[in-house]
Amino acid sequence: NAGVTQTPKFQVLKTGQSMTLQCAQDMNHNSMYWYRQDPGMGLRLIYYSASEGTTDKGEVPNGYNVSRLNKREFSLRLESAAPSQTSVYFCASSEDVGAANEKLFFGSGTQLSVL
Amino acid sequence: SQQGEEDPQALSIQEGENATMNCSYKTSINNLQWYRQNSGRGLVHLILIRSNEREKHSGRLRVTLDTSKKSSSLLITASRAADTASYFCATNQFYFGTGTSLTVIP
Repeated sequence: NAGVTQTPKFQVLKTGQSMTLQCAQDMNHNSMYWYRQDPGMGLRLIYYSASEGTTDKGEVPNGYNVSRLNKREFSLRLESAAPSQTSVYFCASSEDVGAANEKLFFGSGTQLSVL
Repeated sequence: SQQGEEDPQALSIQEGENATMNCSYKTSINNLQWYRQNSGRGLVHLILIRSNEREKHSGRLRVTLDTSKKSSSLLITASRAADTASYFCATNQFYFGTGTSLTVIP
């Protein structure tokens, strides 16, 4: 099984450009997440989707939009990229959100630079 | 911020020694999890401890949880060079700590 697949792995944008990060999981999980990782900051939750058809804001949602396209796919869109959005982005999935035994499965990350 | 914090930020030990890292968090929890991240890679789940548990073991890993102090510790016994990585705690899947960078010297 591939697990969680993210594309692209690397991307360079100019300020003001837009792009969409794609994520797909093949584990039949209900819940999916987008995090960003900055040096010294750990991972911070941007948005999550508890189930198909629902999305909710995380800790740092400003400047991002998400779409839960179907049960497998959860995309993250930057409408007008800013240098502050330079980061490594991780997609993750779990069977359900909030349950006592849930663990996250992560993709390999997208390294995004905004110039 | 809801993030927790790991302590120490960096730890360097000799192969065969034990490594202990601590996590403090701010929110009430259903569970606390520990993850490992090798350089340039995604995070890998190591162990989960539920809020009603105080200690849990998995192989060379031992995790403790003190909900009254909102803290947890991860002990890696008999460390190996392959344990070199960053280690993160996470509460309820949402909030990650800032990480401990562990270097195990062969």
